[in-house]
Order: sequence, then C-alpha cells, then structure tokens
Amino acid sequence: DTAVSQTPKYLVTQMGNDKSIKCEQNLGHDTMYWYKQDSKKFLKIMFSYNNKELIINETVPNRFSPKSPDKAHLNLHINSLELGDSAVYFCASSQFSGGQGKETQYFGPGTRLLVL
Amino acid sequence: AQRVTQPEKLLSVFKGAPVELKCNYSYSGSPELFWYVQYSRQRLQLLLRHISRESIKGFTADLNKGETSFHLKKPFAQEEDSAMYYCALYNNNDMRFGAGTRLTVKP
Repeated sequence: DTAVSQTPKYLVTQMGNDKSIKCEQNLGHDTMYWYKQDSKKFLKIMFSYNNKELIINETVPNRFSPKSPDKAHLNLHINSLELGDSAVYFCASSQFSGGQGKETQYFGPGTRLLVL
Repeated sequence: AQRVTQPEKLLSVFKGAPVELKCNYSYSGSPELFWYVQYSRQRLQLLLRHISRESIKGFTADLNKGETSFHLKKPFAQEEDSAMYYCALYNNNDMRFGAGTRLTVKP
C-alpha cells in the first residue's frame, strides 16, 4: 500500500496554464505539507496544513494555492505557470505528537513539473 | 528562527572509507533533528532521528548541543550509500531542511 501518493508523476505544460497536483495519504496523519525541490536539489517548505487548517505559508507567490478537502488530501493548484515553477514538488504527511520527536514525515514520490 | 546548514554540497569517498556528512543547526529550543535520504529516482525517506539514537544501514548521528551539530557518520561507506542526504530540524509542524549533501561512493 502506498502511504503518500501524488498525481501526476510528470507534468509538462506551457507557460500561463493552470495546473493541479493531487496528494493523498492513507496513514491517518493530521498534518500535510508541500515542498519544492529546485534544480539544485534544495528542498523548501511551501505549505503546512494541520487538520485542514493552514499552519505554514511560506513566501510563495499567490499563484500557488493549496486546497485541503479533508485530512487525507492536500492538493496544490498553480495558476499562470511560469518557467521558474519548473521543479519537483513533494507532498508529505506526519502525525503531530506534541513535540516528542515522533513527527516523522512520510514523503510522496514527487511530481516533476516542467514549464515550457 | 530555526536554520539548518549543511556546508558540503558534494562529498566523494571511496568504498570502505569512513564518511561524515556535516550538519549544523540554529534553534533556541530543544531541537528535534532528522536525517533524510533520497536515492536516485526514489522518494525522500527518513534515515534516522536523534531521539531514537539508532543505527540505520550502518549510519549513526549524535546530537551535540554544545556545537549545535548533528553530523551523520558511517565507518565504512558502500556504493549503495550514494544518494542525496538532507539534515532536517522539526518544530511544531515546521520542518526545515538543509541544502543537502550529495554523497558519491566510488568503487
């Protein structure tokens, strides 16, 4: 069973288009994240949701909008795609445990986005 | 603000040699630190965390609060250890990763 899944795996699109990446976790976790990994492999958090509420919203453009219909899903919608959006996007989930060092994050396989 | 620094972007060793991947952090509270690994074309996965004080795949990491470090070590590197390694610091739903170190183990 796949713990954290993302679709699509690859996404090639033109500048200016709007696209969505879906993420689902079947671990029963209450917290989900989106990360961007750039061409230099630097991994940076974008958003964090806890029980469907936005907790962390890093300085990402407004064109990026996360949507969490329920605790098991956190989708990423991107409007007006730009060349610089090309990257691998990782979804992750964890179960908050009050800071006892048990917040292991489980990552999805990543979605490779290429904007032409 | 919490910050994680991995000073080496690239690290290359020969098979059987010891390897140490450096990680330094800045955080005002009690840190919860992790090492994640990403093998080629695979998802990011947890390697080990400081609170469990375990050894995974021969790797260990000791939290040194005095030096604010959490270096990852292995006494004898193997070719299959070649991967991207990320040090991470966790606090209240916020995980901060270092820039990553690409380890290459040559035969």
